[in-house]
Amino acid sequence: DQQVKQNSPSLSVQEGRISILNCDYTNSMFDYFLWYKKYPAEGPTFLISISSIKDKNEDGRFTVFLNKSAKHLSLHIVPSQPGDSAVYFCAASAGSKGNTPLVFGKGTRLSVIA
Amino acid sequence: DVKVTQSSRYLVKRTGEKVFLECVQDMDHENMFWYRQDPGLGLRLIYFSYDVKMKEKGDIPEGYSVSREKKERFSLILESASTNQTSMYLCASSFTLNFPHSNQPQHFGDGTRLSIL
Repeated sequence: DQQVKQNSPSLSVQEGRISILNCDYTNSMFDYFLWYKKYPAEGPTFLISISSIKDKNEDGRFTVFLNKSAKHLSLHIVPSQPGDSAVYFCAASAGSKGNTPLVFGKGTRLSVIA
Repeated sequence: DVKVTQSSRYLVKRTGEKVFLECVQDMDHENMFWYRQDPGLGLRLIYFSYDVKMKEKGDIPEGYSVSREKKERFSLILESASTNQTSMYLCASSFTLNFPHSNQPQHFGDGTRLSIL
């Protein structure tokens, strides 16, 4: 049973426009959510996270929104750049102190077209 | 910057061999994790450790074991490699900060692509 779902395997966006990546979760114990970016033949790179006490967290071009009632989070990238083309993984854990494992979605491949 | 180093980027082994994958982190992190990544399946947790000599099973521990004799090093062992263990293996580490909502992410190494022939 998938606890973290990324229902779009791929997304194409034009350079300069907004990219919106979506993620749904089922486990109500999750209280810490992260986004990772992965290039081929490299490990995932931590991008941004959000704790369940917030509904928005922003870092430069990246913003994560959390809707706890809908068990949904999204990552917005504005403006999108060709270097953003990668696979994005949503992850969640029941605890944000660092000592609980992450549960990952299957990833969304983002292609930013110049 | 956090540095998580996996000893090999690419490895080819034969069925039945005992395989060791090594991971070292330089940030004095308490927690270390082993995942495997397969196409269409995302990242799945094999084992993790929250202290020296401690280990916990993840979602897919069968056919694997781990060793954590020193804080900075976490080894994944394939006792008798099989072709269905061909995969990308990713090691991660994180710091524990014991207050609520302390937001400690995991940091990953570059992975070991293991092929079992």
